[in-house]
Amino acid sequence: EMMMTQSPATLSVSPGEIATLSCRASQSLSNNVAWYQHKPGQAPRLLIYGASTRATGIPDRFSGSGSGTEFTLTISSLQSEDFAVYYCQQYNKWPRAFGQGTKVEIK
Amino acid sequence: EVQLVESGGGLVQPGGSLRLSCATSGFTFTSYWMSWVRQAPGKGLEWVGNIEEDGSVKNYEDSLRGRFTIFRDNAKNTLYLQMNNLGAKDTAVYYCARDLGGGYNWNYQGSDCWGQGTLVTVSS
Repeated sequence: EMMMTQSPATLSVSPGEIATLSCRASQSLSNNVAWYQHKPGQAPRLLIYGASTRATGIPDRFSGSGSGTEFTLTISSLQSEDFAVYYCQQYNKWPRAFGQGTKVEIK
Repeated sequence: EVQLVESGGGLVQPGGSLRLSCATSGFTFTSYWMSWVRQAPGKGLEWVGNIEEDGSVKNYEDSLRGRFTIFRDNAKNTLYLQMNNLGAKDTAVYYCARDLGGGYNWNYQGSDCWGQGTLVTVSS
């Protein structure tokens, strides 16, 4: 069974600072990882696919990197609207799976 | 404007069944794989499954296969999720989403449009 582990569970960051979120897989995923942002009461929002390709309309302060089993989402210069929960999703093997999420909160 | 609107959620007793709908508009429904994703209270996102454009191929989370069935009516631009033998662990907000690029792993580019979700509560 594919396991996706995100760290940290909670990240406290001040506006304007950089946030670095990690996603680790139990098996190699090549670059088949997407990242989503989710705010309470809202629909999830696709940020990144293919580990590093920004989805349409996503600001360039969001960047993804990694391959194999280690992936990173970096948010440079955090804005107030960026405080949310972030999920990685693997789609290298069926069934697809999400990590447990990282909550980015205001420090 | 692309819209996905889920409906059909509500309170159901353990062991009961429920059918969720996802009405879509603003895009060519028949050109996209579609997915269901759920979120239990206080928990993270959980992928439920997806379905090919013509409904012939379906994939499911292993633990849900056999109880949950995804199907679609392309004439009505609507996606469905049939849920049987429901238990408390199925209590969640259920989202439908559009798969970008394709539904197979080699061409998938993420789920780019989502509905607002419908709440299913399983309780006696």
